[in-house]
Amino acid sequence: GQSLEQPSEVTAVEGAIVQINCTYQTSGFYGLSWYQQHDGGAPTFLSYNALDGLEETGRFSSFLSRSDSYGYLLLQELQMKDSASYFCAALYNFNKFYFGSGTKLNVKP
Amino acid sequence: DADVTQTPRNRITKTGKRIMLECSQTKGHDRMYWYRQDPGLGLRLIYYSFDVKDINKGEISDGYSVSRQAQAKFSLSLESAIPNQTALYFCATSDSSPGQGRFNYGYTFGSGTRLTVV
Repeated sequence: GQSLEQPSEVTAVEGAIVQINCTYQTSGFYGLSWYQQHDGGAPTFLSYNALDGLEETGRFSSFLSRSDSYGYLLLQELQMKDSASYFCAALYNFNKFYFGSGTKLNVKP
Repeated sequence: DADVTQTPRNRITKTGKRIMLECSQTKGHDRMYWYRQDPGLGLRLIYYSFDVKDINKGEISDGYSVSRQAQAKFSLSLESAIPNQTALYFCATSDSSPGQGRFNYGYTFGSGTRLTVV
């Protein structure tokens, strides 16, 4: 399978900005998604980038650079409720996503 | 009602038993997937199906089988459960058009089934 690399854990304070990076393998790559998962819950879709550049949705933004095989999720104005695990997932060959191992975000007061 | 419904939510079973996890969806999506989640390993693909007559193995299909009974139903079976199949199992759906430039292509997940094999 395809492997994706993302940090295992990140800690930030309320109100701050945090960036979660993800690198992926390029063969067959089509697009990059991000998901949020709270403890015990289901992953929920945040964003999808098929083109290079930054996509903004409220406090969350996602970036893709195909030439660098790299993307990131940017979370601004952090809130306590943003404490969760964040997964990058790469779409390969138009048909299935491979997931990274997840980044646990701890937001502190 | 949830768009993607998984049953049961929790299950404890004994080694060697056959168990079926069920998934149904009201999204009208063609594509359905089964993933397994273990701590520190993210989600790994077990099987996926693009329509009723299409079944494909994922990364970790050994010890599992699936059935796509209808467009809206996709079940996962463990023929003879073993303890290392203890995990959180998720069903997911997606539509069939990850077209270039689309901004919202992704999965809708069910709430998961927590399976413990003792």
